[in-house]
Amino acid sequence: TQLLEQSPQFLSIQEGENLTVYCNSSSVFSSLQWYRQEPGEGPVLLVTVVTGGEVKKLKRLTFQFGDARKDSSLHITAAQPGDTGLYLCAGVPPLVFGKGTRLSVIA
Amino acid sequence: GAGVSQSPSNKVTEKGKDVELRCDPISGHTALYWYRQRLGQGLEFLIYFQGNSAPDKSGLPSDRFSAERTGESVSTLTIQRTQQEDSAVYLCASSPLGGTLILSKNEQFFGPGTRLTVL
Repeated sequence: TQLLEQSPQFLSIQEGENLTVYCNSSSVFSSLQWYRQEPGEGPVLLVTVVTGGEVKKLKRLTFQFGDARKDSSLHITAAQPGDTGLYLCAGVPPLVFGKGTRLSVIA
Repeated sequence: GAGVSQSPSNKVTEKGKDVELRCDPISGHTALYWYRQRLGQGLEFLIYFQGNSAPDKSGLPSDRFSAERTGESVSTLTIQRTQQEDSAVYLCASSPLGGTLILSKNEQFFGPGTRLTVL
């Protein structure tokens, strides 16, 4: 069974701090997605990465796909309270989600 | 309404009862997915429908779980003889292109979920 391990599980930081969360696997994925889920809502897609070594930026969020396509990271610069939520990574094949990193940004 | 909708939003039932959860996907989306999310956990894939193809049921945890979809419209997830361990949020997602192997072209749009509590 392919697993996606996300770390840390929980992260609580002050507004303005930087942070990185990780998504790791022993298996190779063709592509990987990051989603953010807010309480009471379904996940919303942030980005898809498909090429080993690929870096994508979305405002203050930087996503990187590992060269070997087994891992990915999400870096947030100058975190804001609006960044609070559960960050999930998902990879294929097969379709599998990690357990997520629950981020809390305190004003 | 342009998004995926699910009903009911909350369901409380007694152990042993059957429940039926409904998902209305975005119009025109060929693929539909069901997931289970236990408290504080990530998403657990349950089942996937793609057009008129046979559904991928590889994630269903037991034969008490079943799902149907009529064409490219509404889907229902049925849990028979519910157990307390079935308590979770059940999320539905639809996608315009489908294909679990084509994630790069396959943004999933999620509904708000149904929170199921089995007493």
